[in-house]
Amino acid sequence: GAVVSQHPSRVICKSGTSVKIECRSLDFQATTMFWYRQFPKQSLMLMATSNEGSKATYEQGVEKDKFLINHASLTLSTLTVTSAHPEDSSFYICSARDRDREPSSGNTIYFGEGSWLTVV
Amino acid sequence: GENVEQHPSTLSVQEGDSAVIKCTYSDSASNYFPWYKQELGKRPQLIIDIRSNVGEKKDQRIAVTLNKTAKHFSLHITETQPEDSAVYFCAAIRRTAGNKLTFGGGTRVLVKP
Repeated sequence: GAVVSQHPSRVICKSGTSVKIECRSLDFQATTMFWYRQFPKQSLMLMATSNEGSKATYEQGVEKDKFLINHASLTLSTLTVTSAHPEDSSFYICSARDRDREPSSGNTIYFGEGSWLTVV
Repeated sequence: GENVEQHPSTLSVQEGDSAVIKCTYSDSASNYFPWYKQELGKRPQLIIDIRSNVGEKKDQRIAVTLNKTAKHFSLHITETQPEDSAVYFCAAIRRTAGNKLTFGGGTRVLVKP
């Protein structure tokens, strides 16, 4: 099956620094990737849609200057949390859509393993 | 945009009993409804999905039903086992609208041995 790899799985950073999380589709091409944030015991909340070769589309309330998204190739999207603060500590997870798979064939969306971010 | 409501938020069942989780959605154009199982700190795992042109789908002990008129869909787990304990999320998507998944709030299922 389709594989999405996300790195790092865990990261601890100091308050005020930036941290980058990578999301890679290993065996398919993804023109669209999605970034979610999940706080403990809560649901997955979509932060932004990452579009290959163009600007990301951010959900309401998500600061685009704080959560920088780059989707420079068909297999890689990165999320950079800039000037991180303790309240940014969360589980960040990406998903990617297989652009070559028809929706009528079933599932086309695959999740990465997630990244635990702790800001101290 | 789409809004998905999920109930109950927690569900405790005895091993061997059935578990039912219900979701409602707001966007009548949504046409794909996946269900995910998530264990702590791990990625959501797709367990079953249903398209809007189908009313019911079954895969062994898991089934999903969809009522498009009422805009609700349900997950049914029969003969529950301790390993079914996890958090379950429903989701809805309009495939012509960029494939953005909107998740329900989640149901924490505990199967007691």
